[in-house]
Amino acid sequence: DQQVKQNSPSLSVQEGRISILNCDYTNSMFDYFLWYKKYPAEGPTFLISISSIKDKNEDGRFTVFLNKSAKHLSLHIVPSQPGDSAVYFCAATTSGTYKYIFGTGTRLKVLA
Amino acid sequence: GAVVSQHPSRVICKSGTSVKIECRSLDFQATTMFWYRQFPKKSLMLMATSNEGSKATYEQGVEKDKFLINHASLTLSTLTVTSAHPEDSSFYICSATKDRDTEAFFGQGTRLTVV
Repeated sequence: DQQVKQNSPSLSVQEGRISILNCDYTNSMFDYFLWYKKYPAEGPTFLISISSIKDKNEDGRFTVFLNKSAKHLSLHIVPSQPGDSAVYFCAATTSGTYKYIFGTGTRLKVLA
Repeated sequence: GAVVSQHPSRVICKSGTSVKIECRSLDFQATTMFWYRQFPKKSLMLMATSNEGSKATYEQGVEKDKFLINHASLTLSTLTVTSAHPEDSSFYICSATKDRDTEAFFGQGTRLTVV
């Protein structure tokens, strides 16, 4: 049972345009969500997070949106840069459990 | 940011031998550490939660006798893959959290190849 899903395995975007990565979850107990960036053979690097009490969090070029009623979150990267090319994982957790459930990842390729 | 160091980054071992992977939080104390396994083109799968001074909590389907976890101090957790088999070959990643409701910091991962 995949509690966190990223339905797009890959995404290609032109440099300078917006990248939108989507993530859906099924467990209504999740109340904290994160996005990680990962290169091959390396550990994930934290990008941005959002608590369920918010619907938007912004950090530089990265913005995460949360729609609790739809159990959906998205990561917007604007403008996209070639260095953003990587696999992006969304993760969800329930406060106090410390357990992160990861999505299957979306491979983003930003074309120069 | 916080730093989590994982060692070794790459290891090759023979079938039947045991391999130990270390995970250290370098600049913070981690009450809880986590061990993940990533299969090719798959998500990160949580294997177990490691609590300092107590037994690890394993996820369903993970053999606790196969994957021994020791959280000896607030900065060190180890994963030992016992009697390794080729199907244990994978990418293992640890993570640690500083406190409640903050992001987890990940180690660099360990590529285990069992021949």
